Amino acid sequence: DADVTQTPRNRITKTGKRIMLECSQTKGHDRMYWYRQDPGLGLRLIYYSFDVKDINKGEISDGYSVSRQAQAKFSLSLESAIPNQTALYFCATSTSSNVGQANTGELFFGEGSRLTVL
Amino acid sequence: GQNIDQPTEMTATEGAIVQINCTYQTSGFNGLFWYQQHAGEAPTFLSYNVLDGLEEKGRFSSFLSRSKGYSYLLLKELQMKDSASYLCARKRNYGQNFVFGPGTRLSVLP
Repeated sequence: DADVTQTPRNRITKTGKRIMLECSQTKGHDRMYWYRQDPGLGLRLIYYSFDVKDINKGEISDGYSVSRQAQAKFSLSLESAIPNQTALYFCATSTSSNVGQANTGELFFGEGSRLTVL
Repeated sequence: GQNIDQPTEMTATEGAIVQINCTYQTSGFNGLFWYQQHAGEAPTFLSYNVLDGLEEKGRFSSFLSRSKGYSYLLLKELQMKDSASYLCARKRNYGQNFVFGPGTRLSVLP
């Protein structure tokens, strides 16, 4: 089973609909992120959270909202989807912990959620 | 990608060596990461540099020069399975989050 799980993996919806993408992790990491990926633009940060009560905007947060329901769960919502939100969305986790061996703090990604807004 | 530059595409031959360059904005720097992403899949971590110099991990090595805002990923003994996109990412001091470059799509030809 994947350590970082995203649902749904694929979704087609219409303009104006509300969409929620969910992410859950079993890695025990405190930090969670939502990115979108578009051809030629790379991964761009939407929102990130370093703890259950911590929510921070990324570079492209307009039109999105998030909820950190528990340490293991971080969901992304599009309140009223529009066609230019068609993209591949990735959830990622990292840990701030340095217990044990050196921690590079790298990101661990989910398998992605492909969203198409018609 | 907030001032991270990488070549868009590269092509190399199986068995050869290829170097993928990355330049980045130096302010607020807190580490440079390389990820590999096969088409339709999630990025996976390859390497990390926070100090100047070369880090070697099997066929892959990564180099960093902090003063120049420059890194490269070196792939040796290329295999067909190395055909993928390679993402350069900078970790920022402020916010402790990551900024990604646009990625370099590498095609390995027989």
